[in-house]
Amino acid sequence: GEKVEQHQSTLSVREGDSAVINCTYTDTASSYFPWYKQEAGKSLHFVIDIRSNVDRKQSQRLTVLLDKKAKRFSLHITATQPEDSAIYFCAARNMGYKLTFGTGTSLLVDP
Amino acid sequence: AQTIHQWPVAEIKAVGSPLSLGCTIKGKSSPNLYWYWQATGGTLQQLFYSITVGQVESVVQLNLSASRPKDDQFILSTEKLLLSHSGFYLCAWSQRSSYAEQFFGPGTRLTVL
Repeated sequence: GEKVEQHQSTLSVREGDSAVINCTYTDTASSYFPWYKQEAGKSLHFVIDIRSNVDRKQSQRLTVLLDKKAKRFSLHITATQPEDSAIYFCAARNMGYKLTFGTGTSLLVDP
Repeated sequence: AQTIHQWPVAEIKAVGSPLSLGCTIKGKSSPNLYWYWQATGGTLQQLFYSITVGQVESVVQLNLSASRPKDDQFILSTEKLLLSHSGFYLCAWSQRSSYAEQFFGPGTRLTVL
């Protein structure tokens, strides 16, 4: 089955800097890649997603890049703010409804 | 606007006791529904999904079962809790498309002693 890896368990940046969180996946059939944010003790909140028919998607300060050859996708956050501090989970879905999550990256934005 | 509720907010249960967790979605007809489990400090594991009333697909075996008795209701249960069932249980819904983003409920925190 699909395996999704997040190679950074923690990431620390200064307020205003950019942050990049990387994920890899194994199943070439995966075609949908969402990102979720989880603040301490809370539920998940959708951040941004990308489908396999494009290699880049931007929404305000967020950009997600997809490299299907390398089976890698990444979340780029520009002009980071303290409220961006949270755990970010990437996920991948192939045909069907099964969503496989990465292990999460804890982003800390120092004010 | 759609709202998703989960109950209870938290539970403390004994090993071997039964469990029933609930999830209700209001304001959306015929949603896809999902159950997830998150160990403390861990990743999320999808447990079940349902695309229609009465039909539930199991994704992973954790000695849990799920049912969808109504279009807007999803129930997670077991007759006998294990210590390993402790964690954070999240219900989510999405539109019918497999590309649709999932919206998560507030979760139920379960402690098994």
